[in-house]
Amino acid sequence: QVQLVQSGAEVKKPGASVKVSCKASGYTFTSYGISWVRQAPGQGLEWMGWISAYNGNTNYAQKLQGRVTMTTDTSTSTAYMELRSLRSDDTAVYYCARVNIVVVVAAAQPSYYFDYWGQGTLVTVSS
Amino acid sequence: SYELTQPPSVSVSPGQTARITCSGDALPKQYAYWYQQKPGQAPVLVIYKDSERPSGIPERFSGSSSGTTVTLTISGVQAEDEADYYCQSADSSGTYGVFGGGTKLTVL
Repeated sequence: QVQLVQSGAEVKKPGASVKVSCKASGYTFTSYGISWVRQAPGQGLEWMGWISAYNGNTNYAQKLQGRVTMTTDTSTSTAYMELRSLRSDDTAVYYCARVNIVVVVAAAQPSYYFDYWGQGTLVTVSS
Repeated sequence: SYELTQPPSVSVSPGQTARITCSGDALPKQYAYWYQQKPGQAPVLVIYKDSERPSGIPERFSGSSSGTTVTLTISGVQAEDEADYYCQSADSSGTYGVFGGGTKLTVL
């Protein structure tokens, strides 16, 4: 069965960096992408970006560009998300999710969704 | 930046039909997806490609699309359906993902 297992909770000081891991199993890792989604306390879901495990191509949310880096290690089927220059409003639960890509035939555009999710990693930024 | 708009809350009695809408300018060019999230849990995909239901999701969950609005319909709502529901799509180019603000479904 498909599983995504994330690393444990982190506490960081403002200005520091955090790196969260997401180990995949139960499917061919390079046949899908991995997306990262975060959720601040009591708030909604925020898409952060995604990475193709096939070729390493990335797309990041515009508000996070310059602070976030997503990578994969295909030898261990693990995806990583690093966020730098942490601020208090980065406090959130961070989820990884497997990305499925489909084609919107009528518009000839790619579309993607998230069919399996990790358990979430709480990152707390506090001085 | 591109946005999807959902009502903050919807309330229904058990056995009734709940409808949750999601509006966005790019929805005629992009599929919409729906996720259910219960407190303390990761989201679960309940509808993909506007109206397809993943295996294991009850038949009472359905989706539809019309122009710039997509709708998640839950027929015969049960107490266990009480949760937050999020729509998800992408901008018209398919480059950037986006979630709606979420709708809290309350079963009275």
